[in-house]
Amino acid sequence: SQQGEEDPQALSIQEGENATMNCSYKTSINNLQWYRQNSGRGLVHLILIRSNEREKHSGRLRVTLDTSKKSSSLLITASRAADTASYFCATDESGNTPLVFGKGTRLSVIA
Amino acid sequence: EPEVTQTPSHQVTQMGQEVILRCVPISNHLYFYWYRQILGQKVEFLVSFYNNEISEKSEIFDDQFSVERPDGSNFTLKIRSTKLEDSAMYFCASSLRGSGGIQYFGAGTRLSVL
Repeated sequence: SQQGEEDPQALSIQEGENATMNCSYKTSINNLQWYRQNSGRGLVHLILIRSNEREKHSGRLRVTLDTSKKSSSLLITASRAADTASYFCATDESGNTPLVFGKGTRLSVIA
Repeated sequence: EPEVTQTPSHQVTQMGQEVILRCVPISNHLYFYWYRQILGQKVEFLVSFYNNEISEKSEIFDDQFSVERPDGSNFTLKIRSTKLEDSAMYFCASSLRGSGGIQYFGAGTRLSVL
């Protein structure tokens, strides 16, 4: 089974619109993190939400976590062209340290 | 802001050759990781390292792979005899905490095996 599957696989929006990406996972987790990757570059940590949290904000980012549905969403408000990147969720399973990544959502923000 | 640095940014090698990928983790971090990302695919965990020993490894991390922290600052990944399918981006990460800690990633080394 695949942990941390994002949808949609690709998303194209106009600048100023909001972008919502979803992530589902299968096992119990300690926390869930969202990372961003610009084309051919490293992973940049965006936000971490713990299993006992339901919502978290950081600037234009809003993350929700529903442990009953084993799902999370990342909302980017008022998107900018510079937000164009791939976004990955990564889970930290209970008692384990390695992050398990999904395949990511490719976001294109058109100016 | 402290960051994880990786060298080289791109390594080209012939099949069967040994390669060493280098990483300098953030200085006060205690946990170190290698991940890889084959082009167009998801990021996959290879190995984690804590207290000078491997703490976890994945099925990918077979006898061809080894890690070392030779001098208290560098963290290296060695592939003994590269195969074509080892071509990928290799990311080093470090964290202050283990489980639940934010992992900070380097920019990656692109390994091309010809």
